[in-house]
Amino acid sequence: AQSVTQLGSHVSVSEGALVLLRCNYSSSVPPYLFWYVQYPNQGLQLLLKYTSAATLVKGINGFEAEFKKSETSFHLTKPSAHMSDAAEYFCAVSVSGGGADGLTFGKGTHLIIQP
Amino acid sequence: DTGVSQNPRHKITKRGQNVTFRCDPISEHNRLYWYRQTLGQGPEFLTYFQNEAQLEKSRLLSDRFSAERPKGSFSTLEIQRTEQGDSAMYLCASSLRRQVQETQYFGPGTRLLVL
Repeated sequence: AQSVTQLGSHVSVSEGALVLLRCNYSSSVPPYLFWYVQYPNQGLQLLLKYTSAATLVKGINGFEAEFKKSETSFHLTKPSAHMSDAAEYFCAVSVSGGGADGLTFGKGTHLIIQP
Repeated sequence: DTGVSQNPRHKITKRGQNVTFRCDPISEHNRLYWYRQTLGQGPEFLTYFQNEAQLEKSRLLSDRFSAERPKGSFSTLEIQRTEQGDSAMYLCASSLRRQVQETQYFGPGTRLLVL
């Protein structure tokens, strides 16, 4: 079975600073990896996904993530934080991209942006 | 494309009552998923449909839970004899199986509070 670990339940950065949200996964087969963002009282919005085409994945709102097989990591970064980035971020893994195994999510990281 | 919609958005019920939630997926999406999200946790996979067939159910889905997707369009999730532990956000997602790397699109969720 696959699993996801997100290091840090809360991350606080200053506006304009680098954002780094950590995600490590466990999977017995090559995984599909996803980052979703959740704003208060809303559903999840896809930021980006890794599907083996390229190890560096660019997503929406200036976010990107790099797949590192040797480190079993898929950390999310953004060069310069905006106040609007404050939200809950979830890393997720799937072995099939969908279907019977659904998505396995981490516990989430709450991103706080300091003015 | 109006996105995934869920109704109601909020539901408060007394322990022992039955509740039913509805999910309308993105039109033409043939896969539909249900997840449960408790406070401070990531979403947990409950079940999924391909067209009208329910192909997978998580161990989290007790006998009190039942889901249907008649005619492969909207889906309902019913919880019988609700318990306080059922209080959570119930999320629905849909995807198109035709894609090699499918993406699940989430609805806004139904927040259930069992008193």
